[in-house]
Amino acid sequence: SQQGEEDPQALSIQEGENATMNCSYKTSINNLQWYRQNSGRGLVHLILIRSNEREKHSGRLRVTLDTSKKSSSLLITASRAADTASYFCATDDSNYQLIWGAGTKLIIKP
Amino acid sequence: DAMVIQNPRYQVTQFGKPVTLSCSQTLNHNVMYWYQQKSSQAPKLLFHYYDKDFNNEADTPDNFQSRRPNTSFCFLDIRSPGLGDAAMYLCATSRVTVSGANVLTFGAGSRLTVL
Repeated sequence: SQQGEEDPQALSIQEGENATMNCSYKTSINNLQWYRQNSGRGLVHLILIRSNEREKHSGRLRVTLDTSKKSSSLLITASRAADTASYFCATDDSNYQLIWGAGTKLIIKP
Repeated sequence: DAMVIQNPRYQVTQFGKPVTLSCSQTLNHNVMYWYQQKSSQAPKLLFHYYDKDFNNEADTPDNFQSRRPNTSFCFLDIRSPGLGDAAMYLCATSRVTVSGANVLTFGAGSRLTVL
């Protein structure tokens, strides 16, 4: 089942620019995760932020979480062609299943 | 490397001809999932196994069945594929603990084409 929305649905930027994607969700959460999916492949876990955290970094990734607004953002700095992919947020419900956002398709132009 | 392996990567079948997709894991994870993903959409959960306990999503069609003969293997059977079943099928695993977060490891997927 889908928890909420991601925006934008698609994003096209020049290599080297920063990319920001947003995710909104509907219910209270324990944590929020971001996954990347390259075309025709499975999803790969990128980063997890817990409900008591506000910001987390991993390499060129920065994730923020605002539980009062039920939203999260993923920032990819200094984008590269290899970052071209779809990005999904996911929250876990009380039944340990993940609830997925609709995804943002990111295209990095050389 | 520990991983999730799906076979086949590409499957072409005829309308109504049964198909079986397989998934194996070397991660010793206790939960295995089958997702269906159509183009430009989020993955849609079909079933999951928590250890030996099978859990079917309420809206998963009866046409889809699953088997988990042991902790390492899981199968997805599509008894009579229709054109609408053409999709990417993703297997994923996780180790669910009382206090831990549920992080999924995915296989590369099996793309099903129905002619």
